Amino acid sequence: EAGVVQSPRYKIIEKKQPVAFWCNPISGHNTLYWYRQNLGQGPELLIRYENEEAVDDSQLPKDRFSAERLKGVDSTLKIQPAELGDSAVYLCASSLERTGTGSTYEQYFGPGTRLTVT
Amino acid sequence: KNEVEQSPQNLTAQEGEFITINCSYSVGISALHWLQQHPGGGIVSLFMLSSGKKKHGRLIATINIQEKHSSLHITASHPRDSAVYICAVRKTSYDKVIFGPGTSLSVIP
Repeated sequence: EAGVVQSPRYKIIEKKQPVAFWCNPISGHNTLYWYRQNLGQGPELLIRYENEEAVDDSQLPKDRFSAERLKGVDSTLKIQPAELGDSAVYLCASSLERTGTGSTYEQYFGPGTRLTVT
Repeated sequence: KNEVEQSPQNLTAQEGEFITINCSYSVGISALHWLQQHPGGGIVSLFMLSSGKKKHGRLIATINIQEKHSSLHITASHPRDSAVYICAVRKTSYDKVIFGPGTSLSVIP
């Protein structure tokens, strides 16, 4: 079974340029996460989708970041315009979850996209 | 104060040593995850536990809910165990995972 797929793996752009990352979750997983991980730190959640609905985007810097998951499958995260401080690894993860059940399901992570803004 | 803390931050061990990485948290949780991240970014889930102890090969994870503490043990460590080990918790109030800062482990031959 294919895991979470992300592309590109690496991206170098100049500041003020736009950039987009793509994620295809594990087939059948209804929940998709975008995380940002700075060097030497743990991942921090940017946005969580349940199917096509963004259920937690409280940490997403909405002035420059946007995300979509139009058909509830793959997702795109965009930054426009990028700033130097956006350099990080952007991780996508997916899981199969049913909210409100009190159950916890494992997240499966993609390889990440390493963004360098110069 | 961070809701999830790990110690040590960095750890260097000789091949064959028994290794312990600790995680403490300050919130109510429904589950705790131990994750492994190799250079290059890929994250692999090692354990998900909500009570007691789990074992997989040379890895053992324990959790004490009352003390809000978990440990990850590696027996007979090997250079291929070199990675960052991340503790993450899912809160009971919110359906959200909070990650610790990670422990960077280097096992020297």
